[in-house]
Amino acid sequence: AQTVTQSQPEMSVQEAETVTLSCTYDTSESDYYLFWYKQPPSRQMILVIRQEAYKQQNATENRFSVNFQKAAKSFSLKISDSQLGDAAMYFCALTTQGGSEKLVFGKGMKLTVNP
Amino acid sequence: DVKVTQSSRYLVKRTGEKVFLECVQDMDHENMFWYRQDPGLGLRLIYFSYDVKMKEKGDIPEGYSVSREKKERFSLILESASTNQTSMYLCASRPIAGGRVEQYFGPGTRLTVT
Repeated sequence: AQTVTQSQPEMSVQEAETVTLSCTYDTSESDYYLFWYKQPPSRQMILVIRQEAYKQQNATENRFSVNFQKAAKSFSLKISDSQLGDAAMYFCALTTQGGSEKLVFGKGMKLTVNP
Repeated sequence: DVKVTQSSRYLVKRTGEKVFLECVQDMDHENMFWYRQDPGLGLRLIYFSYDVKMKEKGDIPEGYSVSREKKERFSLILESASTNQTSMYLCASRPIAGGRVEQYFGPGTRLTVT
């Protein structure tokens, strides 16, 4: 069975600063994908970034980047130059290739951005 | 852009009522999913479907059923709503081709059962 753990239920950051959200996971599969999803107060869940386990290079999307440590089963999200619009719930998620392609989510973390 | 829509943003029902939550996606995705989201519990999978008329139970299927008669539409049914089914319900879809594994979510339905 796959599990995803987000140990910090809430974090805050000052506008323009950098913040790192942590996530650990467990899976016995060798082929899997990791995601960070963002859910703003309007509730539409949107994909922030994805990482393929077979890729050594960390994924980046503009101000968002990940630190993927495969051996440690760690997948953190770094948000640079934080903006007020980054305030949201952030969910770390895992899916394995093949099988049912189900997503397993962490419990989420609420990020507050202070002006 | 992928668009996933859900029939209602807010819904209030009485205990014992039969409730239908509808989800429609416009990108010809094969897989569709229903989750419920509760504070401190994250998202939990109720049911998913990998093709028309095909379905599989997720982690918390008790008290729910689903229907997928057309590829673009996936319905979640609460046969007899109970107060412990008060929750946020999220629908998602994803393709199975093209190397894309991420799911695309609808806006959610906040269901209150009184």
